[in-house]
Amino acid sequence: GESVGLHLPTLSVQEGDNSIINCAYSNSASDYFIWYKQESGKGPQFIIDIRSNMDKRQGQRVTVLLNKTVKHLSLQIAATQPGDSAVYFCAESIEGADGLTFGKGTHLIIQP
Amino acid sequence: GAVVSQHPSRVICKSGTSVKIECRSLDFQATTMFWYRQFPKQSLMLMATSNEGSKATYEQGVEKDKFLINHASLTLSTLTVTSAHPEDSSFYICSARGVDRDYGYTFGSGTRLTVV
Repeated sequence: GESVGLHLPTLSVQEGDNSIINCAYSNSASDYFIWYKQESGKGPQFIIDIRSNMDKRQGQRVTVLLNKTVKHLSLQIAATQPGDSAVYFCAESIEGADGLTFGKGTHLIIQP
Repeated sequence: GAVVSQHPSRVICKSGTSVKIECRSLDFQATTMFWYRQFPKQSLMLMATSNEGSKATYEQGVEKDKFLINHASLTLSTLTVTSAHPEDSSFYICSARGVDRDYGYTFGSGTRLTVV
């Protein structure tokens, strides 16, 4: 299940199940969105991105869905594996602006 | 693919000393580099944006005299934490972007700074 702690929400899923990680972004002007995976002590690793002119984009075992109406982004990971354990962040940016604004992050824990 | 190298990966320094962190784009020219700070179990917070040959732009609340950023070439940016204090202990991460945003944001592996 999902729980919200003092800082990072945690999502616990069974190995082999699908994971859905959600993100609410803040700026309606944002037009580019990225999901990152961060393992302990490492920098963020790019997973998948999507532009605001799209609602859905698929990669290898991952799918990103964008709902601009409610400013919501989700990352779906199919057949979750132990190596998927990490913290996942969504990030947003605006065309013409620099830098990324990161969401709070979700700690994905894989149960054997 | 695009690779960003960040050094050192971890550093321990005494309170009052300065520490320099390097961020290099290895296989592309980074017109813009970004520096983030991350506290345990929290998200990344943008500290500053630097464009090659220009002064860095700092986010609100970030002391520019404490966090000196230099982006002297298209492949190297440095962050110097001056007169470090224990509260500066954190995970510092750089990111580099190529000619335009479509090139993507590539992150370094981060630097764990501990000030004792």
